[in-house]
Amino acid sequence: KAGVTQTPRYLIKTRGQQVTLSCSPISGHRSVSWYQQTPGQGLQFLFEYFSETQRNKGNFPGRFSGRQFSNSRSEMNVSTLELGDSALYLCASSPIGTAGANVLTFGAGSRLTVL
Amino acid sequence: DAKTTQPNSMESNEEEPVHLPCNHSTISGTDYIHWYRQLPSQGPEYVIHGLTSNVNNRMASLAIAEDRKSSTLILHRATLRDAAVYYCIKMGSNYKLTFGKGTLLTVNP
Repeated sequence: KAGVTQTPRYLIKTRGQQVTLSCSPISGHRSVSWYQQTPGQGLQFLFEYFSETQRNKGNFPGRFSGRQFSNSRSEMNVSTLELGDSALYLCASSPIGTAGANVLTFGAGSRLTVL
Repeated sequence: DAKTTQPNSMESNEEEPVHLPCNHSTISGTDYIHWYRQLPSQGPEYVIHGLTSNVNNRMASLAIAEDRKSSTLILHRATLRDAAVYYCIKMGSNYKLTFGKGTLLTVNP
């Protein structure tokens, strides 16, 4: 079965712009979670959506937002980009969420460079 | 803040066992311990997870200390394909995840 698909894989933006990243989960998975990965901070949890509702959010400013559609596909948006937003953005899907015993399947990520 | 600590790097020889440690400063009775690994230019890949008891699967074994504040991922016979960054993750029932910084495993032929 198809894995988690993230688009675009690579993108370059300039400071002050905004960006939208897309994630298509594994068919049947209802939870999508997003992560930021940087060399300095490592992997950090952004937020998790289940059935179009955000259930949990990490410690990121309000410039980072997301949403989930009725088909479980998800998007995340970063507004007013800063240089420090340059990172690999990963999304993961799971049948029911990021809690406890649930196994996450990650996409390959979207690499954002902010100039 | 709760912290998950892993060594920055470890090295092993091919065909030898590897023990990758992870420590949690705090862990509750409902927090699961997960291990994922990441190859260059790929997203993390699931390896194993457990709650209290030691766990085995086709990829690895997971040994969890009695107080659950430490765990060890065991690769019984390392291969060159096991070279990756290994992440220990505490996954709570409230959807809160705490990541370690990851251990870069180098496997020598």
